[in-house]
Amino acid sequence: QVQLQESGPGLVKPSQTLSLTCSVSGGSISSGGYYWSWIRQHPGKGLEWIGYIYYSGSTYYNPSLKSRVTISVDTSKNQFSLKLSSVTAADTAVYYCAREILAAVGTGDWVDPWGQGTLVTVSS
Amino acid sequence: DIQMTQSPSSLSASVGDRVTITCRASQSINNYLNWYQQKPGKAPKLLIYAASSLQSGVPSRFSGSGSGTDFTLTISSLQPEDFATYYCQQSYIIRTFGGGTKVEIK
Repeated sequence: QVQLQESGPGLVKPSQTLSLTCSVSGGSISSGGYYWSWIRQHPGKGLEWIGYIYYSGSTYYNPSLKSRVTISVDTSKNQFSLKLSSVTAADTAVYYCAREILAAVGTGDWVDPWGQGTLVTVSS
Repeated sequence: DIQMTQSPSSLSASVGDRVTITCRASQSINNYLNWYQQKPGKAPKLLIYAASSLQSGVPSRFSGSGSGTDFTLTISSLQPEDFATYYCQQSYIIRTFGGGTKVEIK
């Protein structure tokens, strides 16, 4: 079964760029039929979708974050990555990578599975 | 943006109770609605997709219904392992989550 694992610095300074990588095991990113997603959760709060990438490189971002977000994919390493620029304390959150399943027309898509999440704190 | 409003934000219930959580979308999303369960310190887990389809491995006491703007997650007989926070999510336009419903022990 597919498993995802986030990695990257747990502490980022304000105004710098947050960079995280998600390693996928048990399946190939290039197999198609999935979006590879980033979702975050502020401490004690709800979930916020950041964006996703298809293995071909096509991306779709949350408009509220679009100007600061870049998601990329490295199919040779079976990984995808998140970069969030100009971070502030408001970007402190647990960041999850996840797989979104592209369903048949008329049913929407859904997220499964999720990585375990990684806490990123923005502080000087 | 499509806003997703869950109610209640929290509830207290006893083992064996029937629990119902509602989720309302700010516009019609057909059946593009999913439900997730999250336990403290853990990632969310998919329970229901496409409003009413039970994810493989999820107990049959969980069920979902609804279409358009109004949706419901029902737990027919609450079990100790069901105490958690539940989120709805729409995938009709972009993706947005509801604010969550925390199910606590009464």
